[in-house]
Amino acid sequence: AQSVTQLGSHVSVSEGALVLLRCNYSSSVPPYLFWYVQYPNQGLQLLLKYTSAATLVKGINGFEAEFKKSETSFHLTKPSAHMSDAAEYFCAVRKAGANSKLTFGKGITLSVRP
Amino acid sequence: SAVISQKPSRDICQRGTSLTIQCQVDSQVTMMFWYRQQPGQSLTLIATANQGSEATYESGFVIDKFPISRPNLTFSTLTVSNMSPEDSSIYLCSVVVSSYNEQFFGPGTRLTVL
Repeated sequence: AQSVTQLGSHVSVSEGALVLLRCNYSSSVPPYLFWYVQYPNQGLQLLLKYTSAATLVKGINGFEAEFKKSETSFHLTKPSAHMSDAAEYFCAVRKAGANSKLTFGKGITLSVRP
Repeated sequence: SAVISQKPSRDICQRGTSLTIQCQVDSQVTMMFWYRQQPGQSLTLIATANQGSEATYESGFVIDKFPISRPNLTFSTLTVSNMSPEDSSIYLCSVVVSSYNEQFFGPGTRLTVL
């Protein structure tokens, strides 16, 4: 079985501040890990993914995440928040292979203060 | 990548009626999924749409309530039957593109049941 834990439901940062959104996973086999973003009234967009290559993954819009096996974590960071980053962020995990299912965390709402 | 379209994009329906949501992908894919996102919640997998055979439903979802068709490798439909206000959600179609190790999502269908 696999699962994702995203602690907290809401994070608020000031514009220009560091963004850190936490994600811990549980998987019986080496996982693939993903971060998706959902802007208001829109579908899901893939931010970045880890698929057993480099442990530090860079995504779109200046976001990056580091896979830490010892900590079973895949936290999402961005050095400097922008107002346009305000959205819902979902961490997700699945096993390697096209036939496996994606399991989502409950999501975190990011607010950016001017 | 995969481009996914869904119809309708939104609908308001009366209790007791049914709505069929269409999902079209711009390339042939093996795996297609249907998700539900209830207001303020994360995504929950309803079922895997299998081409040429019955869909595989997750715990808590049944074929009588959510019949699914998958006539070919680029198209699927999800029907929400005998709707109640509790079915008010965003319904998302999703596909896995093996060559990218990624799962792509459609824009969603926003359903409101009165």
